[in-house]
Amino acid sequence: ETGVTQSPTHLIKTRGQQVTLRCSSQSGHNTVSWYQQALGQGPQFIFQYYREEENGRGNFPPRFSGLQFPNYSSELNVNALELDDSALYLCASSLGGRGIQETQYFGPGTRLLVL
Amino acid sequence: GNSVTQMEGPVTLSEEAFLTINCTYTATGYPSLFWYVQYPGEGLQLLLKATKADDKGSNKGFEATYRKETTSFHLEKGSVQVSDSAVYFCALFKTGANNLFFGTGTRLTVIP
Repeated sequence: ETGVTQSPTHLIKTRGQQVTLRCSSQSGHNTVSWYQQALGQGPQFIFQYYREEENGRGNFPPRFSGLQFPNYSSELNVNALELDDSALYLCASSLGGRGIQETQYFGPGTRLLVL
Repeated sequence: GNSVTQMEGPVTLSEEAFLTINCTYTATGYPSLFWYVQYPGEGLQLLLKATKADDKGSNKGFEATYRKETTSFHLEKGSVQVSDSAVYFCALFKTGANNLFFGTGTRLTVIP
């Protein structure tokens, strides 16, 4: 069974640029959630995708957007990068979505630095 | 709303000491409760979970009991090892919501 994978592992961007982060969900999982973890903080929910549709969103502006593909992999896009977007971005996959109580399994994360 | 409060760290213990990391939560109904661990430079790994009151989650010598009367899910281990050094996150999942709510994490350092 393949776990959750994310790419790239590290990324450096400058303010105003755009970035795309990628996530492959664990085999058999149809739900992907994205979290932002600032240094020294707990992860904060960005949004979730279930069967290619957005299924809930946290308190993040519209310049954070996403996609889920038919194979359940997912992308997180961030436009007009700001310094405060520097963080570890975590992807988690699970089975069920729509508020069903299923354990989320996390990938290793992408560390984004915005200069 | 839903929230999790963890004891502030960092926590430094000698090898073989007893560990307790406190976690309390605020949520309506009956959330599921989790402990995740994050080793340096890595993502989160599920350590243990409990889905209903009085359940005890356990893994790798760690235990936590879901106490609805005190809205707590404290993490314990009888004898810590150097390899347990990591950041520990308590989290809840509320049925009907879409996401985990995390505490701010507690950094544990175990010294030989």
